[in-house]
Amino acid sequence: QITLKESGPTLVKPTQTLTLTCSFSGFSLSTSGEGVGWIRQAPGKALEWLALIYWDDDKRYSPSLQSRLTITKDTSKNQVVLIMTNMDPVDTATYYCAHTNYFEGDYFDYWGQGTLVTVSS
Amino acid sequence: EVVLTQSPDTLSLSPGERATLSCRASRSFGSSHLVWYQQKPGQAPRLLIYGVSSRATGIPDRFSGSRSGTDFTLTISRLEPEDFAVYYCQQYGTTPQWTFGQGTKVEIK
Repeated sequence: QITLKESGPTLVKPTQTLTLTCSFSGFSLSTSGEGVGWIRQAPGKALEWLALIYWDDDKRYSPSLQSRLTITKDTSKNQVVLIMTNMDPVDTATYYCAHTNYFEGDYFDYWGQGTLVTVSS
Repeated sequence: EVVLTQSPDTLSLSPGERATLSCRASRSFGSSHLVWYQQKPGQAPRLLIYGVSSRATGIPDRFSGSRSGTDFTLTISRLEPEDFAVYYCQQYGTTPQWTFGQGTKVEIK
């Protein structure tokens, strides 16, 4: 059974750096094909894909946010970390991590519950 | 970038009615790389349909997906009370990114 859970600060100040951690179980990022992505959703808005990392350390970023994002994995801890720099109030959103498998379709089949991050001074 | 445009923004229907949701792509992409998600308030999205028309595990057969060119459709044959939610389409055929539609809200009439 695949589960994921996001953790991190609920409140950050403008210009600060956000660090979110996705802790997962039920799969390993050392297994061929596995991947974890980050998606966010501003209040009342649509979903927005941010970044994704695969088992082989291949990393993909949203072009519009690429300069501010870094995604890394710690295979031994079953964790994926997303770093977003220079936070702004428009980055206020619920941040989700989700599982994918490159060879089985590359879509997000399991999602974490999400964590709400508010950007405010 | 592939832009997905969903219509209508809101669909007002009664339980038992048929719901037809549209997702139009700005250009063609990977042959079957489209999924549909359901999202209820305060919850994460749930995968309904992958590969245009395959139901995810545990999804009832009243949900179906289809494609005509760059037009994709999610059909709910008979709405149950638990089906009132927001639905998103997403493509995953064009790297380096994945894109979502803006969502269609299915509300009780």
